[in-house]
Amino acid sequence: SQKIEQNSEALNIQEGKTATLTCNYTNYSPAYLQWYRQDPGRGPVFLLLIRENEKEKRKERLKVTFDTTLKQSLFHITASQPADSATYLCALEDDYKLSFGAGTTVTVRA
Amino acid sequence: DADVTQTPRNRITKTGKRIMLECSQTKGHDRMYWYRQDPGLGLRLIYYSFDVKDINKGEISDGYSVSRQAQAKFSLSLESAIPNQTALYFCATSDMEDEQYFGPGTRLTVT
Repeated sequence: SQKIEQNSEALNIQEGKTATLTCNYTNYSPAYLQWYRQDPGRGPVFLLLIRENEKEKRKERLKVTFDTTLKQSLFHITASQPADSATYLCALEDDYKLSFGAGTTVTVRA
Repeated sequence: DADVTQTPRNRITKTGKRIMLECSQTKGHDRMYWYRQDPGLGLRLIYYSFDVKDINKGEISDGYSVSRQAQAKFSLSLESAIPNQTALYFCATSDMEDEQYFGPGTRLTVT
């Protein structure tokens, strides 16, 4: 069966450190993968898209990698700030629509 | 004004009632989606529409129906609400396979 797994536990980190989130998938062959941020009680907001032929993508303090052999994406937040505290969702292309992981909640301590 | 709006934002209803959730968008996108979110389960796709004449079932369509009244409007109906349909519902839009834009959500409680 198809499965998308993100970090099973919440991530608590110190301000200024790098947060690394994982997204592993089974029985998908996504043409691209997206990452979203969701704050409590609000809709997800798009952050980054990476395609299957791209190894890495950066946007400001965010970096995403995509390894189709390992069936894994890593999402990094460098120089983290308390304002980065949120839940981060990975989403895989699945027959022209998206399938979402359950998300990883990140808390950045000042 | 918000690009994607949802009404109502909160709704409490009783088991067996029919309820409609509405979504409007000003992005000019052809593609629209309805998701539900439950704690620990992430977003699950209920229905999606790639244009006005196209309606497709998602992962969890049982107990739900949709109507695409125009490019900008996509409504979700619960024909006979049941307590396990209590959840946070999101509408989203996209242009082809690009990023999805989500509405603010509707918190639905079925008692």
